Amino acid sequence: GDSVTQMEGPVTLSEEAFLTINCTYTATGYPSLFWYVQYPGEGLQLLLKATKADDKGSNKGFEATYRKETTSFHLEKGSVQVSDSAVYFCALRPMYSGGGADGLTFGKGTHLIIQP
Amino acid sequence: DTGVSQNPRHKITKRGQNVTFRCDPISEHNRLYWYRQTLGQGPEFLTYFQNEAQLEKSRLLSDRFSAERPKGSFSTLEIQRTEQGDSAMYLCASSLGDRDHEKLFFGSGTQLSVL
Repeated sequence: GDSVTQMEGPVTLSEEAFLTINCTYTATGYPSLFWYVQYPGEGLQLLLKATKADDKGSNKGFEATYRKETTSFHLEKGSVQVSDSAVYFCALRPMYSGGGADGLTFGKGTHLIIQP
Repeated sequence: DTGVSQNPRHKITKRGQNVTFRCDPISEHNRLYWYRQTLGQGPEFLTYFQNEAQLEKSRLLSDRFSAERPKGSFSTLEIQRTEQGDSAMYLCASSLGDRDHEKLFFGSGTQLSVL
């Protein structure tokens, strides 16, 4: 079945450091790919998405590129801030709906801690 | 509009009891999802409604679980004869629009503890 694997945390960085959180997936065809973020005490929020190969999703300085050849969707940010501290989830939606295929499949989450 | 609302925030129950959670989605959203999340894991899909119709159920949703969305607005998730393995955070999400362009909005969840 479909699955998402992301790097385990916690990931601890200093403010203004470069961030990469790795995400790879297993799925049939061309799924849609997402990054969701959960700030302390809040619900999950969509951070960015990409729906086809080579698309780049971006938001709030974060970027991720849909790489079909490596089945990856790594999250990057050039200069992190303390306010970026949160749990980040990579997720996919299968290519085809019906037959039980509309729900998102999430990775386990990566806890990011940014120190001043 | 204050987003997706879930009640209660926390529920502690004894094994074998029944529990019911409520989700109020964003008012104009036609799609509503239930997920379950355990510590150190990502959310796992349980079930999905489009308006009042339940269109998909995960194999994780055993016979003890039932979800309803009677008027296409709020939804309830009931767990009968709770087991300790049911302890988890139960998340609700809603969205508007077609499948390829939808953005899910999540509530803060209901934390269930089964003793």
